[in-house]
Amino acid sequence: EDKVVQSPLSLVVHEGDTVTLNCSYEVTNFRSLLWYKQEKKAPTFLFMLTSSGIEKKSGRLSSILDKKELFSILNITATQTGDSAVYLCAVEGPGGTSYGKLTFGQGTILTVHP
Amino acid sequence: EAGVAQSPRYKIIEKRQSVAFWCNPISGHATLYWYQQILGQGPKLLIQFQNNGVVDDSQLPKDRFSAERLKGVDSTLKIQPAKLEDSAVYLCASSLGSYEQFFGPGTRLTVL
Repeated sequence: EDKVVQSPLSLVVHEGDTVTLNCSYEVTNFRSLLWYKQEKKAPTFLFMLTSSGIEKKSGRLSSILDKKELFSILNITATQTGDSAVYLCAVEGPGGTSYGKLTFGQGTILTVHP
Repeated sequence: EAGVAQSPRYKIIEKRQSVAFWCNPISGHATLYWYQQILGQGPKLLIQFQNNGVVDDSQLPKDRFSAERLKGVDSTLKIQPAKLEDSAVYLCASSLGSYEQFFGPGTRLTVL
């Protein structure tokens, strides 16, 4: 059974701090790893990673994948209160269509205090 | 571009009752997903449609859950009869065929 584990489960920091969120996985026939940000209800897409060692960046957020060690990290620098959310990691395995099936981790709850 | 629409946003029912959720995906998106997200957990895929055909329903509890996507556009997820453990947020997502799934606001179901 495919498994995605995120750590830590929750994190409380102050504005300006840098945080690192972890995601490890065991997925048969890995295709890609995705990060989502979930505020209130609907997850919104952040990154998709398919190749080891290539960093994806978007503003203060960056992510990298290690396919040998089966993990990914999401970094957020200079955190702001608006970064408070649940961060979800999902791994795409083979599915019924060309684009596979997502298995999500349990999420990391990030709280940023002013 | 309008996003994924879901209704109702909240629903409270007694156990053993029936409930139905509706989802209208982004126009033109061929793939539609229903997820169940229990408090404190990540979303779990229940069923995936490609147009109006089911491509994955391996995690759908078929004794009580059913879903359909008539005409390959909007979709309905039904639970009959509901159990206490069905209390969760039910998320609908759609994709054009790329990796990026767009999620709706979800329906929070409470079963008493």
